[in-house]
Amino acid sequence: KNQVEQSPQSLIILEGKNCTLQCNYTVSPFSNLRWYKQDTGRGPVSLTIMTFSENTKSNGRYTATLDADTKQSSLHITASQLSDSASYICVVSALGGSYIPTFGRGTSLIVHP
Amino acid sequence: EPEVTQTPSHQVTQMGQEVILRCVPISNHLYFYWYRQILGQKVEFLVSFYNNEISEKSEIFDDQFSVERPDGSNFTLKIRSTKLEDSAMYFCASSELRGLYEQYFGPGTRLTVT
Repeated sequence: KNQVEQSPQSLIILEGKNCTLQCNYTVSPFSNLRWYKQDTGRGPVSLTIMTFSENTKSNGRYTATLDADTKQSSLHITASQLSDSASYICVVSALGGSYIPTFGRGTSLIVHP
Repeated sequence: EPEVTQTPSHQVTQMGQEVILRCVPISNHLYFYWYRQILGQKVEFLVSFYNNEISEKSEIFDDQFSVERPDGSNFTLKIRSTKLEDSAMYFCASSELRGLYEQYFGPGTRLTVT
């Protein structure tokens, strides 16, 4: 069964600090992995999309890494801002006949001043 | 900047009633999606739609659900006979094409079934 596990479940950091969120998946065969940011009560917003051949992708202060061999991804946030407070969701899609994505439960990040 | 819109923002209905949730995808997008998120839980894929047909659907998308593109701009999700467990946030999304194309999500409709 395809699964996406994220850690930590929640994280509190001080403004200006860096943090790294983790995503492990068992989706196979792998097609792509996406990171989304979801503010409370809002729809997810895409941060990065990575395929099998990509190790790193950046979007401003967000940098995602992918290790397809170990089936792990991370999202690194640099110089956090109060507006980074949100849930960060890892989504993995399989290659082949079904493009149904598998969502992780998300990491809830709170940035304190 | 183009965005996906959804109406209503909040819908309250009684168990057994039919509801229609409406979405206006981004105008040049060809793929449309519905997701749901039960409070406190993860987002779940319901269905994708392309060229006036369902492209993929999950196990959740059973016979009580249907989707339609009634005109050139709207994309709807109908729940025929709502149950208490249908209470959730329903998100519509659209993308230019499938695969590696970015999906743009709407703000969601909160459905409360009483």
